[in-house]
Amino acid sequence: GAVVSQHPSWVICKSGTSVKIECRSLDFQATTMFWYRQFPKQSLMLMATSNEGSKATYEQGVEKDKFLINHASLTLSTLTVTSAHPEDSSFYICSASQGVGGNTIYFGEGSWLTVV
Amino acid sequence: AQKVTQAQTEISVVEKEDVTLDCVYETRDTTYYLFWYKQPPSGELVFLIRRNSFDEQNEISGRYSWNFQKSTSSFNFTITASQVVDSAVYFCALKDQGAQKLVFGQGTRLTINP
Repeated sequence: GAVVSQHPSWVICKSGTSVKIECRSLDFQATTMFWYRQFPKQSLMLMATSNEGSKATYEQGVEKDKFLINHASLTLSTLTVTSAHPEDSSFYICSASQGVGGNTIYFGEGSWLTVV
Repeated sequence: AQKVTQAQTEISVVEKEDVTLDCVYETRDTTYYLFWYKQPPSGELVFLIRRNSFDEQNEISGRYSWNFQKSTSSFNFTITASQVVDSAVYFCALKDQGAQKLVFGQGTRLTINP
């Protein structure tokens, strides 16, 4: 079946540096990808919707300059956390929609980010 | 506005018991999709089921079954003869036909004790 892959699964970075997380749809073309953030014991919080070839649509309260999203191809979207701080430490997970109307949605494995 | 409510924050049962996870949704659309995902401790979200609003037939897949009731706007999930491996957080989600994004419930943390 369809698979969405995220990389890296775990990343530790120093405060002030930037880190990039990749989300790939492995066997289908995803015109739309989504990025979520999840705090411990909480639900998924949608950060942005990424459409191939256009600018991402960010949810209210999400800093677009801090969380840069690029969706340059139909199989790859990237999230770059710029100038990371410890409060950015979290679980980030992407998803990609497939099919007419985008009603089949698959999630990546997620990426654990720790900023020290 | 869309909303998904999973009133049960945590459930703990003993292995082999049956357990039902509740999901109540709100939407103004007549065409929508409902989902259940499982999130084990490793973090990934595992797709379990998608049901569209026009299909009210109950679904059974092994020990898993789903009861979709439009009259009560509910899409409940039952695990029969639960096993320790079923321990995870389970999310119910809603997507309107014309919308791109999923709306998630708060999740139910299910613990199956041996």
